[in-house]
Amino acid sequence: GESVGLHLPTLSVQEGDNSIINCAYSNSASDYFIWYKQESGKGPQFIIDIRSNMDKRQGQRVTVLLNKTVKHLSLQIAATQPGDSAVYFCAEKRRSGAGSYQLTFGKGTKLSVIP
Amino acid sequence: EAQVTQNPRYLITVTGKKLTVTCSQNMNHEYMSWYRQDPGLGLRQIYYSMNVEVTDKGDVPEGYKVSRKEKRNFPLILESPSPNQTSLYFCASSFSAGGGGPYEQYFGPGTRLTVT
Repeated sequence: GESVGLHLPTLSVQEGDNSIINCAYSNSASDYFIWYKQESGKGPQFIIDIRSNMDKRQGQRVTVLLNKTVKHLSLQIAATQPGDSAVYFCAEKRRSGAGSYQLTFGKGTKLSVIP
Repeated sequence: EAQVTQNPRYLITVTGKKLTVTCSQNMNHEYMSWYRQDPGLGLRQIYYSMNVEVTDKGDVPEGYKVSRKEKRNFPLILESPSPNQTSLYFCASSFSAGGGGPYEQYFGPGTRLTVT
């Protein structure tokens, strides 16, 4: 079946280094992807999104890259800070019926920043 | 302030006792959905609604009901809760851009439900 998955469940990085979180997707028809950050005890928070007609999108300290050839999505965080420690989820939008859409989430990657 | 609110935030109940978790958003979003989050399983969609009076089953709808009578509210109903419905529940909303959504979703703070 269709799925969104993550390569690594945990990632530890040194403060100030760049972080890269990866995500593989299998639905080639997906046209929209989102990255979320979830801090302990809180709901997921939107970070950045990208549509399938783009390869790259940049935000503040974050960049999302989309490689449709290999169905791969990545989130890059520049100059990682302790406040970036959280679980990160990728999600893809998929059609689930006539005029109906769902978001399917990956299982998440836990990012730990070492001071 | 733009937000999604859920109530209650914490609930402990017993098997079979009907309960409702409320969800409300003040952003005039068309799309609303409910997710449950369990360790190792990530976020799984229970039900979603593309607009008022339009609801659809998500990936794990068994044991749940929803309604969408107003744009801002999307309650989750457990008619006869069971222990396997013990979980962390999130409501979310987003604009739908003419029916092509969801797009950027805003999540509520979560409701931690324990069914004994």
